[in-house]
Amino acid sequence: EAGVAQSPRYKIIEKRQSVAFWCNPISGHATLYWYQQILGQGPKLLIQFQNNGVVDDSQLPKDRFSAERLKGVDSTLKIQPAKLEDSAVYLCASSRHYEQYFGPGTRLTVT
Amino acid sequence: DQQVKQNSPSLSVQEGRISILNCDYTNSMFDYFLWYKKYPAEGPTFLISISSIKDKNEDGRFTVFLNKSAKHLSLHIVPSQPGDSAVYFCAASEFTGNTPLVFGKGTRLSVIA
Repeated sequence: EAGVAQSPRYKIIEKRQSVAFWCNPISGHATLYWYQQILGQGPKLLIQFQNNGVVDDSQLPKDRFSAERLKGVDSTLKIQPAKLEDSAVYLCASSRHYEQYFGPGTRLTVT
Repeated sequence: DQQVKQNSPSLSVQEGRISILNCDYTNSMFDYFLWYKKYPAEGPTFLISISSIKDKNEDGRFTVFLNKSAKHLSLHIVPSQPGDSAVYFCAASEFTGNTPLVFGKGTRLSVIA
């Protein structure tokens, strides 16, 4: 079974630029999550999808972050405009029932 | 406010000995707990979990203990191996199944040969 795929793996941008991350979950997993992991911290939920509907986006900074899940499968997370404090690893995870399976993450550096 | 706390940023253990990683939580609504292991440049990998109706769950060399009254859980690795060297995250959720996880900051385990 293929794991959660994410791209790109690394991205460096200047502040005020925009960036997008892509995630392809494990086949058959209806639930998809985006987490932000700042250096030295644990992952923090940004948004949760159930199929193509948003379940929880209470911690998503909606003035600059947006996310969508196309046809209940792939998902994209966008930041526009980026700030220095957005430098982090962005992790995508998917689940069918209990355990969440994580992708390798995208390391974003904002300069 | 940290709802899941891992107070030891790092731990060093000799190969063959027991590794004990600790985790405390404050939210009494948490009823499902997981441990994840993370290597550099990789995403967290699920290791073992425990429901609040249990106080112990075992999987090979890994055992998780839950003390609900103390709001404390621990992960025991016996015997420890050099390949166990990684960052270990404790996570919790309020319900089993498809709910967001709240993570601790992680403990870096180094197993010395």
